Amino acid sequence: EPEVTQTPSHQVTQMGQEVILRCVPISNHLYFYWYRQILGQKVEFLVSFYNNEISEKSEIFDDQFSVERPDGSNFTLKIRSTKLEDSAMYFCASYLEGGDEQYFGPGTRLTVT
Amino acid sequence: DQQVKQNSPSLSVQEGRISILNCDYTNSMFDYFLWYKKYPAEGPTFLISISSIKDKNEDGRFTVFLNKSAKHLSLHIVPSQPGDSAVYFCAASWGYGNKLVFGAGTILRVKS
Repeated sequence: EPEVTQTPSHQVTQMGQEVILRCVPISNHLYFYWYRQILGQKVEFLVSFYNNEISEKSEIFDDQFSVERPDGSNFTLKIRSTKLEDSAMYFCASYLEGGDEQYFGPGTRLTVT
Repeated sequence: DQQVKQNSPSLSVQEGRISILNCDYTNSMFDYFLWYKKYPAEGPTFLISISSIKDKNEDGRFTVFLNKSAKHLSLHIVPSQPGDSAVYFCAASWGYGNKLVFGAGTILRVKS
């Protein structure tokens, strides 16, 4: 069964450093998303991406965040200057138009020290 | 943001019995609802969904009921199995493919 993959599974970084989280969505999906889950809290929407542009973003997704689809397969989330409060599980998801559900990847655990 | 609420943090059920997980929402604009299951160190896995034009959807052991007037949905698992032990998230959206708004999750433990 096709699946969304994410790398790395765990990223440790120092405050103020830039990180790039990578995702490979399911190949024929055209809608892509990033969500995050801070430990003990809800899964929160960050951003959705369609047709090479952001279709919606949350209040969390400020100027420190950016997304990119650099080629036909990868979808990345960049955090320019990480803060302690960015520590969370980051989930990528993709969606096939006409389908029922968003498919989630296994997540990247980001730890900011 | 409390648009989707799962008020029971955990539920413990005996194997073979019914598990009922509940979810309430406040935003009447939601028209599509989903249940996801999540194991530790994995991403959420889709279980079942329901559109607001229906009041019930069934898939094998899983049934979702939607009560629009009460803004309430529930997931029934019958019979419950030990492998069902996981965190269950309720999610809602405005239409297909739009952002999902998640509840806090309910930890289900099925005892054998």
